[in-house]
Amino acid sequence: EAGVAQSPRYKIIEKRQSVAFWCNPISGHATLYWYQQILGQGPKLLIQFQNNGVVDDSQLPKDRFSAERLKGVDSTLKIQPAKLEDSAVYLCASNPGTGGNTIYFGEGSWLTVV
Amino acid sequence: EDQVTQSPEALRLQEGESSSLNCSYTVSGLRGLFWYRQDPGKGPEFLFTLYSAGEEKEKERLKATLTKKESFLHITAPKPEDSATYLCAVQAHTGGFKTIFGAGTRLFVKA
Repeated sequence: EAGVAQSPRYKIIEKRQSVAFWCNPISGHATLYWYQQILGQGPKLLIQFQNNGVVDDSQLPKDRFSAERLKGVDSTLKIQPAKLEDSAVYLCASNPGTGGNTIYFGEGSWLTVV
Repeated sequence: EDQVTQSPEALRLQEGESSSLNCSYTVSGLRGLFWYRQDPGKGPEFLFTLYSAGEEKEKERLKATLTKKESFLHITAPKPEDSATYLCAVQAHTGGFKTIFGAGTRLFVKA
């Protein structure tokens, strides 16, 4: 079974530029998460989708971050404009949504803002 | 508000020196408690799910236990390859599978 796919793996941008990350969850998984992990900290939930609807985006900085999940499958996370403090790993994860509740992570997209 | 606190922040062991990592949690109705292992530059790798107090799960040198307020990850006779960050997370019955993580414990095992 294929895992959660993310791209790009690494990105370096200047502050005030924009960046987009893509995620393809495990096939059939209804729930998709985006987490932000700053070096030395645990993952912080940014947004959670159930199919193509948003379940929780209470910690998403909506003035600069946006996310969408079209057709309830792939998702993109966008940052515009980026700030230095956005330097982090952006982890995508998925969960079946019914029955099993374990979430499975991708390898992450590493963002450095200079 | 759901909360997860892990201790210690870092733990240094000699190879073969058994120890335990702690995860204290507050959650409004626990659906599940998860342990993950994270290696540098990688995404978290799933280890265990615990659902109710008294439950235990084992995998190789790792054993996870759960009470109503905390979970322990016991590491028996660790090897250098067990060096990693261990993350604990909780999921509540409310909030549609919202999963909250602790800050992790960084484990270093020296040969």
